Amino acid sequence: ELKVEQNPLFLSMQEGKNYTIYCNYSTTSDRLYWYRQDPGKSLESLFVLLSNGAVKQEGRLMASLDTKARLSTLHITAAVHDLSATYFCAVDGRGTYKYIFGTGTRLKVLA
Amino acid sequence: DGGITQSPKYLFRKEGQNVTLSCEQNLNHDAMYWYRQDPGQGLRLIYYSQIVNDFQKGDIAEGYSVSREKKESFPLTVTSAQKNPTAFYLCASRPTARGEQYFGPGTRLTVT
Repeated sequence: ELKVEQNPLFLSMQEGKNYTIYCNYSTTSDRLYWYRQDPGKSLESLFVLLSNGAVKQEGRLMASLDTKARLSTLHITAAVHDLSATYFCAVDGRGTYKYIFGTGTRLKVLA
Repeated sequence: DGGITQSPKYLFRKEGQNVTLSCEQNLNHDAMYWYRQDPGQGLRLIYYSQIVNDFQKGDIAEGYSVSREKKESFPLTVTSAQKNPTAFYLCASRPTARGEQYFGPGTRLTVT
């Protein structure tokens, strides 16, 4: 059964600092997705990673995918308060048509 | 504008009543999904449909039912058999059975 784990589950960081969120998955998959969710809101797509070694950047966020290690990272550079949200990774379940979501990382950036 | 709409945004019902949540998309997507999210938790899959007139149970289908009579519509009925229906419900779609999912704004259901 495909499992997706994120860590940390909770992250409180100061503005201006850097940090990385990790997303590990248990079986082979070549597609990984990152989403952001603000409190009380729906999910907003951040990144779509489609192959080993893929790296994408948007503002202070950068995502990468290592399919051999079954690991994706979401790196935050010089955090600002507006990045406070919950971040989810998701993987296409091989042999199924379902997304498998990670547990989510609740990020709080302190001013 | 292309997108996914869910209605209503907030829904209040008495225990024992069935309620239907609407999900419509004009993206011409084949696949549609329903998720449930409880406070502070992740998303759990209720039902999904890869094509019109076909749908499959997800991880927590008990107490829910769906239909897919039209490509653009995938309504979810929360029945009285669902023990704890109060939650945030999200609908999503994607062009095919694999690839990025696009999410609607959600419906917050409260049952008392």
